[in-house]
Amino acid sequence: DGGITQSPKYLFRKEGQNVTLSCEQNLNHDAMYWYRQDPGQGLRLIYYSQIVNDFQKGDIAEGYSVSREKKESFPLTVTSAQKNPTAFYLCASSIQGSGELFFGEGSRLTVL
Amino acid sequence: AQSVTQPDIHITVSEGASLELRCNYSYGATPYLFWYVQSPGQGLQLLLKYFSGDTLVQGIKGFEAEFKRSQSSFNLRKPSVHWSDAAEYFCAVDNNNAGNMLTFGGGTRLMVKP
Repeated sequence: DGGITQSPKYLFRKEGQNVTLSCEQNLNHDAMYWYRQDPGQGLRLIYYSQIVNDFQKGDIAEGYSVSREKKESFPLTVTSAQKNPTAFYLCASSIQGSGELFFGEGSRLTVL
Repeated sequence: AQSVTQPDIHITVSEGASLELRCNYSYGATPYLFWYVQSPGQGLQLLLKYFSGDTLVQGIKGFEAEFKRSQSSFNLRKPSVHWSDAAEYFCAVDNNNAGNMLTFGGGTRLMVKP
């Protein structure tokens, strides 16, 4: 079945460690996104990529990094520079211009 | 900057009752508008979208929404709620009317009483 796969579903990290969240899609979508979700704040855009080897910062990119070496993959690294990384992270993809985002099931990161 | 406001953080309705979830946006032109639904611990699923044309749009699962330019609103409605509709609902606006850069509201959590 086509879709978006995020892993791991749950992740615990010690302060000062970098962690990488995986996002893979087999929908052949050009655009991919990372959102952060906190209670009562909706979704906030971290990074997005509209084409391979290109990506742009969203509203809250500080402390995060991404890469887009393959169309199918858009991993997100939460670095030690991110002050408050505990959150639910959602990856999405879309056909350019369609307006419909397809979401993965999310990764919940907890910093101990 | 664009913004999306969902005034109701929580709403509780009885099963079979009608539902209206409010959404207001700030944007200079007529935006592209969306409603998404999220079940606990899951990603989001598109319910419906408005780009242009008829201001009343139909979506999946029996939902509809009406775009009212004069009120800068895009409220979601359902005539008869089912217990399975309990979830969190997000309104979103496209940042550049290109169909792929969305700003989301804070969400409304719907609870359904038996």
